[in-house]
Amino acid sequence: DAGVIQSPRHEVTEMGQEVTLRCKPISGHNSLFWYRQTMMRGLELLIYFNNNVPIDDSGMPEDRFSAKMPNASFSTLKIQPSEPRDSAVYFCASSFAGVTEAFFGQGTRLTVV
Amino acid sequence: KQEVTQIPAALSVPEGENLVLNCSFTDSAIYNLQWFRQDPGKGLTSLLLIQSSQREQTSGRLNASLDKSSGRSTLYIAASQPGDSATYLCAVSSNDYKLSFGAGTTVTVRA
Repeated sequence: DAGVIQSPRHEVTEMGQEVTLRCKPISGHNSLFWYRQTMMRGLELLIYFNNNVPIDDSGMPEDRFSAKMPNASFSTLKIQPSEPRDSAVYFCASSFAGVTEAFFGQGTRLTVV
Repeated sequence: KQEVTQIPAALSVPEGENLVLNCSFTDSAIYNLQWFRQDPGKGLTSLLLIQSSQREQTSGRLNASLDKSSGRSTLYIAASQPGDSATYLCAVSSNDYKLSFGAGTTVTVRA
């Protein structure tokens, strides 16, 4: 398996634009996590899914953020409209039911100017 | 709500010294605890996974212990090398599927 795959690796966008981050979890994993990492706040859990259903989205900072998991092999995190304070590295991770080892993607470095 | 704390926040040691990194968590209802390594500007790499029924796990120079009842885990790195310099994070998987992280310990091994 190629591991957790995130795209794009880097994204530079202007304030007010819509940004969509993508994640493909490891095949067979049914738990998927979206994290945001900044120097100031460290690693923050935004939302996580189990069997494609959002379990807890209390970490999503504002209504500008939304996440979907239409099937077991794909998830998106969307920011609309984006703001400079959204600049961070966004990580996706997957595991099996939170019981097995969790693996992370390489992250998407988002810069909003 | 699960709270994960890592002490110390930073650690600097000379090459060859053993490293001891601590992690504590508030809710003992966990599935497992996992240790990760993160190099600057990179993603998270899994080092060790300890299931809630286990007391310790070993991989090469790394050894991690788990005391679930007291909410503690310790990562030992024997005979440290400059290549061990990185940030080490612990994460706890709780019964609600949530994976909660500590803030990490940044390690510098001086040659």
